[in-house]
Amino acid sequence: GDSVTQMEGPVTLSEEAFLTINCTYTATGYPSLFWYVQYPGEGLQLLLKATKADDKGSNKGFEATYRKETTSFHLEKGSVQVSDSAVYFCALSVDTGGFKTIFGAGTRLFVKA
Amino acid sequence: GAGVSQSPRYKVAKRGQDVALRCDPISGHVSLFWYQQALGQGPEFLTYFQNEAQLDKSGLPSDRFFAERPEGSVSTLKIQRTQQEDSAVYLCASSLSSSNSPLHFGNGTRLTVT
Repeated sequence: GDSVTQMEGPVTLSEEAFLTINCTYTATGYPSLFWYVQYPGEGLQLLLKATKADDKGSNKGFEATYRKETTSFHLEKGSVQVSDSAVYFCALSVDTGGFKTIFGAGTRLFVKA
Repeated sequence: GAGVSQSPRYKVAKRGQDVALRCDPISGHVSLFWYQQALGQGPEFLTYFQNEAQLDKSGLPSDRFFAERPEGSVSTLKIQRTQQEDSAVYLCASSLSSSNSPLHFGNGTRLTVT
């Protein structure tokens, strides 16, 4: 079945460090890929998405590129801030007549000042 | 423009009680989803509606779980004879009807079964 695997956390970084959170997927069909973020005390919200191979999604300095050949969608940011501390979820959605979004287990990021 | 609204925010139930959780999606969103999120885990799919039709209920963990969306807008997730393992955050999300469309989540209902 369809699934998403992302690196386990927590990830602890100092401010201005480079961030990578790995995500790989397994899907029947051609999925759309997403990163969602959950800030402390808030609901899940979309961070970025990509809908076809080689597309790059970007938002708030975060980027992720849809790599079909490696079935990956790694999240990167060149310089993290304390305000980026949150839980990040990689997800996929496939249209099979209906559709559902499958989530990874989440990666908690702590950024220290 | 209101977002997805869920009520109650918190629910404590004694084991064996029935509970009903409400979701009010974004106006005009055709698709509605229920997810269960255990502590420290990602959301797990429960069920999906397109308008009033329940197209996928493969994630419902047992026949004690039942969801409805009779008029294609508000949805209710009902759990009968609650058990301790039902304790979790229940998330509702709505979206336009496409796998490219992102989900818009409510803040969830935290259910604690004692």
